[in-house]
Amino acid sequence: ETGVTQTPRHLVMGMTNKKSLKCEQHLGHNAMYWYKQSAKKPLELMFVYSLEERVENNSVPSRFSPECPNSSHLFLHLHTLQPEDSALYLCASSHLGQADTEAFFGQGTRLTVV
Amino acid sequence: RKEVEQDPGPFNVPEGATVAFNCTYSNSASQSFFWYRQDCRKEPKLLMSVYSSGNEDGRFTAQLNRASQYISLLIRDSKLSDSATYLCVVNRNSWGKFQFGAGTQVVVTP
Repeated sequence: ETGVTQTPRHLVMGMTNKKSLKCEQHLGHNAMYWYKQSAKKPLELMFVYSLEERVENNSVPSRFSPECPNSSHLFLHLHTLQPEDSALYLCASSHLGQADTEAFFGQGTRLTVV
Repeated sequence: RKEVEQDPGPFNVPEGATVAFNCTYSNSASQSFFWYRQDCRKEPKLLMSVYSSGNEDGRFTAQLNRASQYISLLIRDSKLSDSATYLCVVNRNSWGKFQFGAGTQVVVTP
């Protein structure tokens, strides 16, 4: 596989459930990101991991818990979510330290909280 | 003030016409700039990076104006397949904190 892959593609969960989103990148990048995209809103940066260390946490509620076990994998653990958390969750990766590095995105997980 | 601002559109463009739109950014220390394209319910994909001297990729031309803090995208000879939302992206530090605009919707009509 190449690029950035996310699973699952679609997820419906109740407010009391616990689930995890998975992201895997095969590009040899050293930074990974979680973004949230709600309807009619710009992408919101949630977390940034650089060399497996979290370097950014954009005031995200604690019901979202990221995990980066190695440079190729990124998880977003979800628990006791609210209906307003329904959105498209996008994972991205990039190569830091390289001029004009761009971010490559996975296809996203469309999350519905019921 | 939002860090990256775009006209949401939609820009309704006849097939074959030219369309151009801008994006403004607030942080003068921003280092790199990109245009991404996002189709409905899909992930954003890189359209092109934007370089200081301006750059062209086929029918697409991007410009950067650091003094006025905006970037632009021009699409010539529009195709129906160009219909999408175009996202302006600014990277303002060395560890890749990409900031996205809300996007400009372009609709190319036959």
